[in-house]
Amino acid sequence: DAGITQSPRHKVTETGTPVTLRCHQTENHRYMYWYRQDPGHGLRLIHYSYGVKDTDKGEVSDGYSVSRSKTEDFLLTLESATSSQTSVYFCAISDKTSYNEQFFGPGTRLTVL
Amino acid sequence: GQNIDQPTEMTATEGAIVQINCTYQTSGFNGLFWYQQHAGEAPTFLSYNVLDGLEEKGRFSSFLSRSKGYSYLLLKELQMKDSASYLCAVRGKGKLIFGQGTELSVKP
Repeated sequence: DAGITQSPRHKVTETGTPVTLRCHQTENHRYMYWYRQDPGHGLRLIHYSYGVKDTDKGEVSDGYSVSRSKTEDFLLTLESATSSQTSVYFCAISDKTSYNEQFFGPGTRLTVL
Repeated sequence: GQNIDQPTEMTATEGAIVQINCTYQTSGFNGLFWYQQHAGEAPTFLSYNVLDGLEEKGRFSSFLSRSKGYSYLLLKELQMKDSASYLCAVRGKGKLIFGQGTELSVKP
């Protein structure tokens, strides 16, 4: 299995608070992705990174920001959490080319009250 | 734009064969993936097709027809552990779009 971890695995927070989710990989893969998964919507891309300090928006990026200061870490920040951001968040990694076979982390279940 | 359609749910019997279909519309098609996701777990890669035809991998096979915008995942000799959601994902022009997934239930 690819070495990819996410922290925290579960979080409950209140509307308006900032939240940061961390994705850590030990595979030295170039590409990293953040998805959210909601019933009826499947997996939707929030942001992705194609190298250190190189990031781009996905289809549902509003309300989220990311940073990648090291190859192994990709952070997802909700500046001011809203109830609509209650979801399961998955990080994924791939190498060689963008959107190649992806290995997913275990997921973070976030509840915004 | 891009659009992917898969059945929401399917039921099959242990030991049988099941085919999960996926139809898509996309610009700049550059490959189709199938992922398996057990409840409460992360998706895991099953197969990748970029050319027309059948790719076989053990009990699982995946087929692609680019002209028809159609793919299927074939699961043979079904086992109870195959109960999961199966996600079709299409790589287009600088994008990868996932379908909503097909929830497969395998009954004894």
